[in-house]
Amino acid sequence: SQQGEEDPQALSIQEGENATMNCSYKTSINNLQWYRQNSGRGLVHLILIRSNEREKHSGRLRVTLDTSKKSSSLLITASRAADTASYFCLTMNTGFQKLVFGTGTRLLVSP
Amino acid sequence: GAVVSQHPSRVICKSGTSVKIECRSLDFQATTMFWYRQFPKKSLMLMATSNEGSKATYEQGVEKDKFLINHASLTLSTLTVTSAHPEDSSFYICSARRQGTEAFFGQGTRLTVV
Repeated sequence: SQQGEEDPQALSIQEGENATMNCSYKTSINNLQWYRQNSGRGLVHLILIRSNEREKHSGRLRVTLDTSKKSSSLLITASRAADTASYFCLTMNTGFQKLVFGTGTRLLVSP
Repeated sequence: GAVVSQHPSRVICKSGTSVKIECRSLDFQATTMFWYRQFPKKSLMLMATSNEGSKATYEQGVEKDKFLINHASLTLSTLTVTSAHPEDSSFYICSARRQGTEAFFGQGTRLTVV
């Protein structure tokens, strides 16, 4: 399969809790991005981390990257009901010719 | 950020007809464009990668004659679904990449074949 794996496939939490999603990929990458998608609509870019970076923050988002393990994690802190969506990682290979999504995590945040 | 415009956002067509979806990079030249397909509640599957002026590279399992991709200029790529059938109904989305940078996504096209 071309795709990276994400886990969990689905995550259900309460507002205020933290949500952690993991992404594993298969090839050497130039960068990795995280996106969210609401109900099969367009993609919203969340954050990009380059292969020479290990951690990045943006607001309530924290992304880590471990290139030795070919994995990344997305942490959403103090979650809100509005964070309910599907989250995908997206990897660009070092040759810039392959842009591949992970399998995605469906996050449900209950009020 | 860079803007990628995809048109149409929604299209309904009859079985047997062909549908063209356009992907334009509005404020940059896209050296590479990517086309994806998404089934309900599933991830986005890469269909093909195209470089301006050359033939598209299709992923395994994607029919080249069914999904025609043209990347005639640095700002425009088109995906034509030929002889569409109901099983081609899906969400299609494009992405455009500038030289040496990350890629940017269009808004997507929801295709319904009746």
